[in-house]
Amino acid sequence: QKEVEQNSGPLSVPEGAIASLNCTYSDRGSQSFFWYRQYSGKSPELIMSIYSNGDKEDGRFTAQLNKASQYVSLLIRDSQPSDSATYLCAVTPRGTNAGKSTFGDGTTLTVKP
Amino acid sequence: SQTIHQWPATLVQPVGSPLSLECTVEGTSNPNLYWYRQAAGRGLQLLFYSVGIGQISSEVPQNLSASRPQDRQFILSSKKLLLSDSGFYLCAWSRRTDYGYTFGSGTRLTVV
Repeated sequence: QKEVEQNSGPLSVPEGAIASLNCTYSDRGSQSFFWYRQYSGKSPELIMSIYSNGDKEDGRFTAQLNKASQYVSLLIRDSQPSDSATYLCAVTPRGTNAGKSTFGDGTTLTVKP
Repeated sequence: SQTIHQWPATLVQPVGSPLSLECTVEGTSNPNLYWYRQAAGRGLQLLFYSVGIGQISSEVPQNLSASRPQDRQFILSSKKLLLSDSGFYLCAWSRRTDYGYTFGSGTRLTVV
């Protein structure tokens, strides 16, 4: 079992729709959770951080965390073609490995005009 | 504001040749520094992690090494490259261990 698993994708949604990206993690002691956006050929860019159970909203993006289910999701409302990218979920543990994020393989999102 | 510089952007090297990739951070002090590698179509693999000058944690036992000669400088090296060393190398920094990363622009390395 991978430490961080994401929907294999690719995911395709029409412009204006809601895109839902999911991620599960295996380390129950994880403390920090992140979503990165990576355009083709470019480096990842941090778009959302979440640390406690519940929802966190930032513009059109909402991150959801459920530690009991070891589940993190990212919702993108009113999807735009510019949202087409690969989205990476990252999880950071506590303790001696604090700071060392483990990344999922990513989900590629295509938003069709 | 903080910025991270990474160079070169692309590199084609023959098998057995040495490697040196450099990363510098500006606008902050005592950053946590990271080297990750991304294989094509895959997630990121942590190679090295540093919390301070001369403090390097190696995550992958391969023919790569890292050094931090100055507070905001992080160098990835190899004495002899292998074909399997090809990939997209990313330097990153964070202010705290529970913060997300800011990545450099990356180096695309092809070993031929």
